[in-house]
Amino acid sequence: GQNIDQPTEMTATEGAIVQINCTYQTSGFNGLFWYQQHAGEAPTFLSYNVLDGLEEKGRFSSFLSRSKGYSYLLLKELQMKDSASYLCAVSNSNYQLIWGAGTKLIIKP
Amino acid sequence: GAVVSQHPSRVICKSGTSVKIECRSLDFQATTMFWYRQFPKQSLMLMATSNEGSKATYEQGVEKDKFLINHASLTLSTLTVTSAHPEDSSFYICSASRGQGSSPLHFGNGTRLTVT
Repeated sequence: GQNIDQPTEMTATEGAIVQINCTYQTSGFNGLFWYQQHAGEAPTFLSYNVLDGLEEKGRFSSFLSRSKGYSYLLLKELQMKDSASYLCAVSNSNYQLIWGAGTKLIIKP
Repeated sequence: GAVVSQHPSRVICKSGTSVKIECRSLDFQATTMFWYRQFPKQSLMLMATSNEGSKATYEQGVEKDKFLINHASLTLSTLTVTSAHPEDSSFYICSASRGQGSSPLHFGNGTRLTVT
């Protein structure tokens, strides 16, 4: 079967750095997406990785290792507004998106 | 700005009635749109793939006669929840992509359906 694993919940302190991991097993691979979802709202696109390595976009960075079936989202200089769920999704060989259950990130002052 | 518009954002209806939710791609043509459902504290669950000009493809366990999908144009897909019941109360979200591969899904703002 196909599955995406990510931690259910993480807690971090304002101003700190947090890394949210995602491991996947899918039938083929056409890229990995990270989305942010605030409570009661629809997800918003954060990043896309299809090649190995680190993609940096402001305070957010995303890393991919295809051989390990592994990605992480790195959030720096955490702000209270970063409190949200972070969803990992993989596009498989049929371009279907396989979704993780999401990681709820709690930021404490 | 938003590239996918979803309406209504909230709806309350009585059990047994039907509710229609609209999803529009604002500045691009979407031959395919996706309908998701999300229950509280759970992840997105793909319900169906809406294909312009043809029948929708439903995921296993989703009743096609209960959740009617119509994709009549390249910019509009509708989801009708027929004979709604309280257990249908959920957050329904549509999405569309400009293309395959690296193109991310753009989501509508979602519709919070409450069936009383």
